[in-house]
Amino acid sequence: DSGVTQTPKHLITATGQRVTLRCSPRSGDLSVYWYQQSLDQGLQFLIQYYNGEERAKGNILERFSAQQFPDLHSELNLSSLELGDSALYFCASSVAGSLPYEQYFGPGTRLTVT
Amino acid sequence: SQQGEEDPQALSIQEGENATMNCSYKTSINNLQWYRQNSGRGLVHLILIRSNEREKHSGRLRVTLDTSKKSSSLLITASRAADTASYFCATQLSGNTPLVFGKGTRLSVIA
Repeated sequence: DSGVTQTPKHLITATGQRVTLRCSPRSGDLSVYWYQQSLDQGLQFLIQYYNGEERAKGNILERFSAQQFPDLHSELNLSSLELGDSALYFCASSVAGSLPYEQYFGPGTRLTVT
Repeated sequence: SQQGEEDPQALSIQEGENATMNCSYKTSINNLQWYRQNSGRGLVHLILIRSNEREKHSGRLRVTLDTSKKSSSLLITASRAADTASYFCATQLSGNTPLVFGKGTRLSVIA
C-alpha cells in the first residue's frame, strides 16, 4: 500500500460526458502528479500541483483540468470525453524539495469511454 | 513524449535465471528511477540512481547508469515467478519534477 488513494477504481461513461477523478496523497506529501497510461501513448505526465499551486504541465488536453485543495487532495476533471480518453489515470505524490525522491503511485482509475 | 526507451520490449526467462533490462534516454538528467507495475495496477518504486552514481544495489536488484551513453540497466538476479511484471525506467530533470517514462519491458518468469 503506497498510502496514495484514488477513487473511483473504475469508471464507465459515454462520449461527451464529464468525470472527476479524485486523489489523496500520502500524509505530508505536498506534490501531486497526474499521469495517463494508455496502450498507444504509454505513461504520460499530465499535470503537477505543489501545495495548491500548479507547478508543471505536460501533455494535458484543454478538455482536462485539475486542482489541488487546501487539504492537499487533488481532482482531475475530464470533460467532453472521447473514446481515445479511455486509459488508466494515476495519481502520484512525493516529498517536496530539491533532492530527488521517489514518487508514490495510487492504484489508478480505469476510465472506459463508450 | 517518451524520454526513455527500454530494451527488450518483452523478456521471458526461467525461474532462477537473471533478467537484464536496458533503458536509454535522450537528455541530461538529475536521476533515473525504475518502477515495477503488476498487470494494470499502480507503479511501485524499485530504485533511484542519481546522475553522479554509477551503480546501486537493492536486494536482488542492481542498477547501473552510464551518463556518457545516456543509458541504464536493471539486473534482477535469481528471478522468481513473483517478479513477473512490467518494468519502467523514468528520468527526472531535478527533484520535485515530473517523471518521464519509457515504454517498459514486460518480464515473464516461468516457474
